Amino acid sequence: GENVEQHPSTLSVQEGDSAVIKCTYSDSASNYFPWYKQELGKGPQLIIDIRSNVGEKKDQRIAVTLNKTAKHFSLHITETQPEDSAVYFCAASKLGKLIFGTGTRLQVFP
Amino acid sequence: NAGVMQNPRHLVRRRGQEARLRCSPMKGHSHVYWYRQLPEEGLKFMVYLQKENIIDESGMPKERFSAEFPKEGPSILRIQQVVRGDSAAYFCASSPLGESYNEQFFGPGTRLTVL
Repeated sequence: GENVEQHPSTLSVQEGDSAVIKCTYSDSASNYFPWYKQELGKGPQLIIDIRSNVGEKKDQRIAVTLNKTAKHFSLHITETQPEDSAVYFCAASKLGKLIFGTGTRLQVFP
Repeated sequence: NAGVMQNPRHLVRRRGQEARLRCSPMKGHSHVYWYRQLPEEGLKFMVYLQKENIIDESGMPKERFSAEFPKEGPSILRIQQVVRGDSAAYFCASSPLGESYNEQFFGPGTRLTVL
């Protein structure tokens, strides 16, 4: 079955710097790759997603890239702010169910 | 448009009791997914349901766990004879489509504690 690996597990950056989180997946049939932000005590919030027919997608300070050949996808956050601090999860999907990575705890220091 | 609603938000049960978790999907969504999150871990898929149908239950433990999504009313995740290892946060997500390009929107979760 599908397996998703996510790195790093923790990431600390200074406010204004960029943050990059990387994921790899194993099943080449996966065709949808969302990213979720989870704050303490809350449910995951969808922040951006990418489909397998697209290589890159951007939404303001957030961008996601997908390399289907290497089975890698990455989340890029620019100009980080303290409110970006949270746990971020990548996921891969085919046929509906999401397989999640293990999460990255991002801390943005003012 | 209200988001995905889950209740209760917190549930405490003693070993051997039953736990019932409810999920009301977003308006217009007919597909529901349940995930479990252990402390400090990622989310693990449990089951995918459509109205009155189980589409994929490959992540559901074979015993004690069941799920339904009736024609009317919320989806229910039922855990019989709970054990301490069932303590976790249970999240429900809903989507408007059943295809693999669906966007899933999550509820706030039910935090189950088994004493």
